[in-house]
Parts: sequence; structure tokens; C-alpha cells
Amino acid sequence: KAGVTQTPRYLIKTRGQQVTLSCSPISGHRSVSWYQQTPGQGLQFLFEYFSETQRNKGNFPGRFSGRQFSNSRSEMNVSTLELGDSALYLCASSYGTSGVGEQFFGPGTRLTVL
Amino acid sequence: GENVEQHPSTLSVQEGDSAVIKCTYSDSASNYFPWYKQELGKRPQLIIDIRSNVGEKKDQRIAVTLNKTAKHFSLHITETQPEDSAVYFCAASWEGDDKIIFGKGTRLHILP
Repeated sequence: KAGVTQTPRYLIKTRGQQVTLSCSPISGHRSVSWYQQTPGQGLQFLFEYFSETQRNKGNFPGRFSGRQFSNSRSEMNVSTLELGDSALYLCASSYGTSGVGEQFFGPGTRLTVL
Repeated sequence: GENVEQHPSTLSVQEGDSAVIKCTYSDSASNYFPWYKQELGKRPQLIIDIRSNVGEKKDQRIAVTLNKTAKHFSLHITETQPEDSAVYFCAASWEGDDKIIFGKGTRLHILP
């Protein structure tokens, strides 16, 4: 099976712009979770989508949003970028049913906000 | 809200010695505790997990223990090797929910 893929791998934006990141899960996985990784803060949970519905949400401002398509691919959007949004954004996929199971991470998108 | 505390943030051990990383969680409903390893420049990967109906689980040189009463769990790595150098994340979640809360990570250095 192909692993989780994310595009693009690198992005440079300026403050005030918006950005859209994409995640393609492992075939058969219906749950996609998004995390922000910064030095010293570890992996912070953004949100989780299952069957096109946001099932869980972390403590991030409304500038961070996401969606999931019928093929389980997911996108996250960050509007009105701030310098503090510079981070590695990781998505992870899992089956999402019958209890919690292993999440498989993608390689991440490194976002730099200037 | 849910919270996972992880200690230490940095750990250096001599090759061949043991390493222990400790985590505590706040939500007593948590019942699934995975550990992820992230090597430099790579994605996190699951190395071991434990569910709340088990007190200890081993996989070769890696073991995890869980104390539900105290709400803490630990990762034990024995006979450490250079390839164990990485950042380790503990996490907590609960059955029927894919929201996983991670600790802030422990950077493990294996000294030659």
C-alpha cells in the first residue's frame, strides 16, 4: 500500500496570505487528522475528519479550517497567515472505526511565513 | 481540557544503558496510549502502544507500563543503541475517538 502523502512539501508565504495544504490517506483509511509541529511544542492536534465530517477539533483559532472529500483526501486551510503559523504540518490517517488504532503519518508540509 | 505531560524533554544515556521516559495524562477516560518515534527529518512512527486493560507490554527492547490509578505511563528502552537516538512522543486517546493528544516529546541522545 502506498503511504500517506502530503502536498506541497514546502511553502513560503507572507503574512496575511492564505494557504491550502493537501493530504492523501492510505487506501481504505477514512480518518484523517492534522497536527502542527513546532520546536518545543511537540505535536498539537488541529482537527480530525471522518467520512467527510469533522469529528474532533483542537484548540486552534478559526483561521484554521479543513475539509474531507468523499475519497477521504483532506485539505486544511489557514487564512490570514501570521508569523507564528510557521511550522511543520503533519497529517495522519487511520481506519477510524472500531476504536482507536495506529495513525500513519505523512511526510509533512513545512510552512514558512515571512 | 485534555493534557499529556512528558518528562524529561532531553535525555542522554550511554550506549547499552537503559532509558526511561515518563508521561502523565489528565483525562481519566483515556484508554489508549501510543508511543511514536521521530527520527531527524522523518515522520513520526508508532513503536508501541498499550490499552488500559493491560498494565505492561513488551516488544523486544521496548516496554511500556501503565498505571491507570496514578494516570501515568512510561516507555522503557533497554540495551540502547545509536539508532535509538530520536525524539519520542507519548500520547493518550480514548476508545471510539481518533483525537490523540501528544506530549511535547523527549529528545533521546545515545552517547558512544
